[in-house]
Amino acid sequence: ETGVTQSPTHLIKTRGQQVTLRCSSQSGHNTVSWYQQALGQGPQFIFQYYREEENGRGNFPPRFSGLQFPNYSSELNVNALELDDSALYLCASSTEVQGPEAFFGQGTRLTVV
Amino acid sequence: AQKVTQAQTEISVVEKEDVTLDCVYETRDTTYYLFWYKQPPSGELVFLIRRNSFDEQNEISGRYSWNFQKSTSSFNFTITASQVVDSAVYFCALSEARIGGSRLTFGEGTQLTVNP
Repeated sequence: ETGVTQSPTHLIKTRGQQVTLRCSSQSGHNTVSWYQQALGQGPQFIFQYYREEENGRGNFPPRFSGLQFPNYSSELNVNALELDDSALYLCASSTEVQGPEAFFGQGTRLTVV
Repeated sequence: AQKVTQAQTEISVVEKEDVTLDCVYETRDTTYYLFWYKQPPSGELVFLIRRNSFDEQNEISGRYSWNFQKSTSSFNFTITASQVVDSAVYFCALSEARIGGSRLTFGEGTQLTVNP
């Protein structure tokens, strides 16, 4: 148990729709990162939020956006869903006080049909 | 740009065998971190270990050991006396030292199957 929880665990959406995924970080962690993991591949960095500000972004289009709230929980929003967006979305939290390691939630499995 | 290569896509062993998972990385950063994560079928990535670039001391934790060699840019992971519960996908990852938290670059993973 990492203390990082994601909701929902599974989701099915239609191409063109919008989706919001949620992440509750481990207590005391002020950094949240989001990763996309396609089937059979390693996770790919989407973006990171540190103290409510975006702190780096991977090679993902602007239709992937996010938020971090004052309690350090976070949302990942994806607009205009495409079939290739089908993947496991992983949230990770960390704090510099405890070191650079990130602790992951169980993920949200998104299927776009 | 950073890159992590895990050349072994799948490994299958029989219980009690030793197994080594290879990881080679590329980075231009002088200070960086290396990680190993385990991903069981449930999907959650479980943190196993972190090494700092300036600390090449090998580490042993129970049946797990890690060999970090900066000269060959490798960070290999050995499981001694493997068990069925070790079956999972293992990821090696790399991050530069940065304010706010790690931005992990993962390898493609090695699927380890331990047969009884």
